[in-house]
Amino acid sequence: GDSVTQKEGLVTLTEGLPVMLNCTYQTIYSNAFLFWYVHYLNESPRLLLKSSTDNKRTEHQGFHATLHKSSSSFHLQKSSAQLSDSALYYCALSGNTGYQNFYFGKGTSLTVIP
Amino acid sequence: GGIITQTPKFLIGQEGQKLTLKCQQNFNHDTMYWYRQDSGKGLRLIYYSITENDLQKGDLSEGYDASREKKSSFSLTVTSAQKNEMAVFLCASSQTTSAETLYFGSGTRLTVL
Repeated sequence: GDSVTQKEGLVTLTEGLPVMLNCTYQTIYSNAFLFWYVHYLNESPRLLLKSSTDNKRTEHQGFHATLHKSSSSFHLQKSSAQLSDSALYYCALSGNTGYQNFYFGKGTSLTVIP
Repeated sequence: GGIITQTPKFLIGQEGQKLTLKCQQNFNHDTMYWYRQDSGKGLRLIYYSITENDLQKGDLSEGYDASREKKSSFSLTVTSAQKNEMAVFLCASSQTTSAETLYFGSGTRLTVL
């Protein structure tokens, strides 16, 4: 069945260093979409990025990710971490089933320290 | 823009008690979802509904019931609260077409004494 793997549960980074959160997936759908959701403390989870076509980079709020179907990956990256990036990040998959069904990874908790 | 409202924000119950969580959305979205958030386990789907009066079980439906009597509302019932259970329940909605964004409420935090 469909699944998403985020191998890092906890990531701690020093401010200014690059961010890379891993996301790999399995799906039977050739036109599946990948998403990154961010959950800041005391807020609602919200969409950060949504995949585009294969090998095309999508960007939002300084973060970027590229869907690579050949390696089933959609890693989240940022060139320079900020203290305000500390949050829980979820990678999610949605197959093209005609209705929305999302599969979430276990989440990566990112803490940025001064 | 729209909003998803979950009530209550905090819910404290006793073991064995039936507890109901409510969710309202004004996006006019077709599909609504209930997820359970546990540390280290991600977001796990309990129930979803693709239209009024429709209910579909997710991977974690055992021990829960749901109700979608109106397009704008979706409630979740914990049929028998488990002692020492602690979790956050998140309601979400989306349009029923591929690749549409999920919008989340702020959650209900459940504690069972």
